Amino acid sequence: QKEVEQNSGPLSVPEGAIASLNCTYSDRGSQSFFWYRQYSGKSPELIMSIYSNGDKEDGRFTAQLNKASQYVSLLIRDSQPSDSATYLCAVNHSGGSYIPTFGRGTSLIVHP
Amino acid sequence: GAVVSQHPSRVICKSGTSVKIECRSLDFQATTMFWYRQFPKKSLMLMATSNEGSKATYEQGVEKDKFLINHASLTLSTLTVTSAHPEDSSFYICSAKEGAEDSPLHFGNGTRLTVT
Repeated sequence: QKEVEQNSGPLSVPEGAIASLNCTYSDRGSQSFFWYRQYSGKSPELIMSIYSNGDKEDGRFTAQLNKASQYVSLLIRDSQPSDSATYLCAVNHSGGSYIPTFGRGTSLIVHP
Repeated sequence: GAVVSQHPSRVICKSGTSVKIECRSLDFQATTMFWYRQFPKKSLMLMATSNEGSKATYEQGVEKDKFLINHASLTLSTLTVTSAHPEDSSFYICSAKEGAEDSPLHFGNGTRLTVT
């Protein structure tokens, strides 16, 4: 079974710090990876997509992909209280269905 | 960017009645849409894949006669919860992809269903 694992948290960081969220996946052939943010009671919203090994930066967010180690991470720089949410990792596995598998999400709390 | 609109955002219905939820892709065409359900503090659960012009594909354990899906056009999919019961109360979210198959899902705002 193809799995996506995330630590459920909560991860608590002070305002202004770097929050580091990690995700591992079981299918070595996976090709596309996504991070979503979900506020309580709301639907997920896409933060980043990443397809190649290395770092991809967008504003305060950096996604990091290491296919050899089968992990993908999300760094949030200068964390703000408004970043407090659940962060979902999603992976498109190999095999052609292109229906992403979601992790259970990591709860992030940024305290002032 | 890709916008997925879902309606209604919140609905309360009586046990035994049916509820229809609409999902529209506003600025792109979606041959495939995905319906999820999420219980409080739980992860997203894929219910079914909606295919334009053909039958939906349901995940194991999801009753296709209870959760009717229709995808009549390239921009509209509907989910009807038939004969709703309190245990169907949940957060239902639709999603779609714009462009290539390996592109990300874009989610609607979700529908909070409460069955009394």
